[in-house]
Amino acid sequence: DTEVTQTPKHLVMGMTNKKSLKCEQHMGHRAMYWYKQKAKKPPELMFVYSYEKLSINESVPSRFSPECPNSSLLNLHLHALQPEDSALYLCASSLQGEGVTDTQYFGPGTRLTVL
Amino acid sequence: AQKVTQAQTEISVVEKEDVTLDCVYETRDTTYYLFWYKQPPSGELVFLIRRNSFDEQNEISGRYSWNFQKSTSSFNFTITASQVVDSAVYFCALSEASFGNEKLTFGTGTRLTIIP
Repeated sequence: DTEVTQTPKHLVMGMTNKKSLKCEQHMGHRAMYWYKQKAKKPPELMFVYSYEKLSINESVPSRFSPECPNSSLLNLHLHALQPEDSALYLCASSLQGEGVTDTQYFGPGTRLTVL
Repeated sequence: AQKVTQAQTEISVVEKEDVTLDCVYETRDTTYYLFWYKQPPSGELVFLIRRNSFDEQNEISGRYSWNFQKSTSSFNFTITASQVVDSAVYFCALSEASFGNEKLTFGTGTRLTIIP
């Protein structure tokens, strides 16, 4: 089973709202990722968690705040977003074997609209 | 720096035709991994294949086949007897093999439309 789940599927929020995106996997993967994808563009990496520690932050604005409460769960907290942050947010996970580049498996994404 | 080029922005073919999606990559590493993902209109990125740089053997999976040529830095994807369900955006991606760093570099994608 290579399933990554994401909730909600769609989210509309105002610029002053605080909301969270949730991602879950039960494949025993130890690396989890957040990507942002604008229309007609490839996904862009935002954050990587490895063994529940933040290992990569691709210079993402602080209005995006990731959290990894445990190895199966990844959250993305949103606050004071701008309309240009409207995009598809994709979560992925990989096994994170030592010295091996593992395949990333993606969830269905959350379509975020910021008004 | 690594780079992936998918020169074909959009392709349209009639159902049952064969179609090849091109992918050219650049990397300075001798060990790297190449991937293809499919993104249907629903948005989910579906993993199709992973190939490491030491394995140049071509692969066939049903109607899908992949041709990896290190000499030309290409990893092309062919769909045989295309079907409407193959309509999607296809991304080629590259990852350099360094422990703890699994950053994927994606190409810009090829939008494939299969006309019934």
